Amino acid sequence: ETGVTQSPTHLIKTRGQQVTLRCSSQSGHNTVSWYQQALGQGPQFIFQYYREEENGRGNFPPRFSGLQFPNYSSELNVNALELDDSALYLCASSEGVGGEKLFFGSGTQLSVL
Amino acid sequence: GNSVTQMEGPVTLSEEAFLTINCTYTATGYPSLFWYVQYPGEGLQLLLKATKADDKGSNKGFEATYRKETTSFHLEKGSVQVSDSAVYFCALSSLNTGTASKLTFGTGTRLQVTL
Repeated sequence: ETGVTQSPTHLIKTRGQQVTLRCSSQSGHNTVSWYQQALGQGPQFIFQYYREEENGRGNFPPRFSGLQFPNYSSELNVNALELDDSALYLCASSEGVGGEKLFFGSGTQLSVL
Repeated sequence: GNSVTQMEGPVTLSEEAFLTINCTYTATGYPSLFWYVQYPGEGLQLLLKATKADDKGSNKGFEATYRKETTSFHLEKGSVQVSDSAVYFCALSSLNTGTASKLTFGTGTRLQVTL
């Protein structure tokens, strides 16, 4: 059973650029959620994908968007990067929409300069 | 809206000391409550959970009881080890019809255990 993997592990971008982060869900999991964890804070829910459709969104602007693929892997895209977007981005997979046991990846550390 | 408040860290304890990390919550309905742990360089791992009032979650010597009357879910361990050094997050999940279940996290409490 493979765990949740994220790539890249670290990324440096400049303000105004666009970034794509990737996540492979745990085997057998069809739901992927994305979280943003700012330094010294708890993770904040960005959105969730189930069967390739967005299924719930937190308080994040439209420049945060995502995709889920038929193999249940997922991408998080952020356009027009701002300095405050610097954070650890965590992907979590679960079995089904109501699955409350989330399996987290190690995250992508994004720095916006 | 939902929110979780945790005691601020860091918490520094000697090995074999008793641990309490306080957590209180605000939520509509009947949330499920969780403790997650984040070891250095790793993702979050579920430590324990409780889904209804008076339930006690337990794992690896840690335990927490869902107290609806005090809206609390304090984490305790009788004897900590150096290997327990990590950041601990309290979280809640409230599933609403038509929307995704999602976790609302506290800010985390760093625990450092010394010999």
